Amino acid sequence: IVMTQSPDSLAVSLGERATINCKASRNVLDIQKHKNYVAWYQHKPGQPPQVLIYWASTRASGVPERFTGSGSGTDFTLTISTLQAEDVAFYYCQQYFTTPRTFGQGTKVEVK
Amino acid sequence: QVQLVQSGAEVKKPGASVKISCKVLGDSYFRSYIHWVRQAPGQGPEWMGIISPGGDSTNYAQKFEGRVTMTRDTSTNTVYMELSSLISEDTAVYLCARDVDAGVGYFDPWGQGTLVTVSS
Repeated sequence: IVMTQSPDSLAVSLGERATINCKASRNVLDIQKHKNYVAWYQHKPGQPPQVLIYWASTRASGVPERFTGSGSGTDFTLTISTLQAEDVAFYYCQQYFTTPRTFGQGTKVEVK
Repeated sequence: QVQLVQSGAEVKKPGASVKISCKVLGDSYFRSYIHWVRQAPGQGPEWMGIISPGGDSTNYAQKFEGRVTMTRDTSTNTVYMELSSLISEDTAVYLCARDVDAGVGYFDPWGQGTLVTVSS
């Protein structure tokens, strides 16, 4: 399954909204379990990646409420409602519906 | 709380092999499935494979079959990833990550990464 993210980079003013899209080449929704097998990770230079969102819309423990995941089937979105300076990072979507696990190419979020 | 600690940076010549370790801390019941992922400069993460808690089962990405070997020392709960026949395109940061759901989940946490540089 190919995961295609857009845009490749994004410059947003502090306090403004940032939206990242991710499109899967095939469905990643398990209809019986009602779960979309998509996770979002934040990766800052010099640090290990951290999971933000799993099951497409469940916020991981400790993740601020300004991070929201949405979507189903093949189309997914990560939204940062009010960008903070500490949110500058690369963001990756990942599908864990099947092997091989695959990631999007990443979106670089910067402050405008 | 599980923590993954990786070995340090490596510099290798083309054709050589590299073996990276990932020590699993805080996993008292030795239940962690561990994935290996690499990220080359300017590229997205690339999944390499997974190893079971006992080290008796592995699943490699087709791209790396025949060149990658994942093993596990259960006495120290350390996972190893060896990549052979290195070429310059193998220059990347290699990361280990725990699967949250017995091999079918997302990844959390991740190791800090190991930079492997392949250069003559």
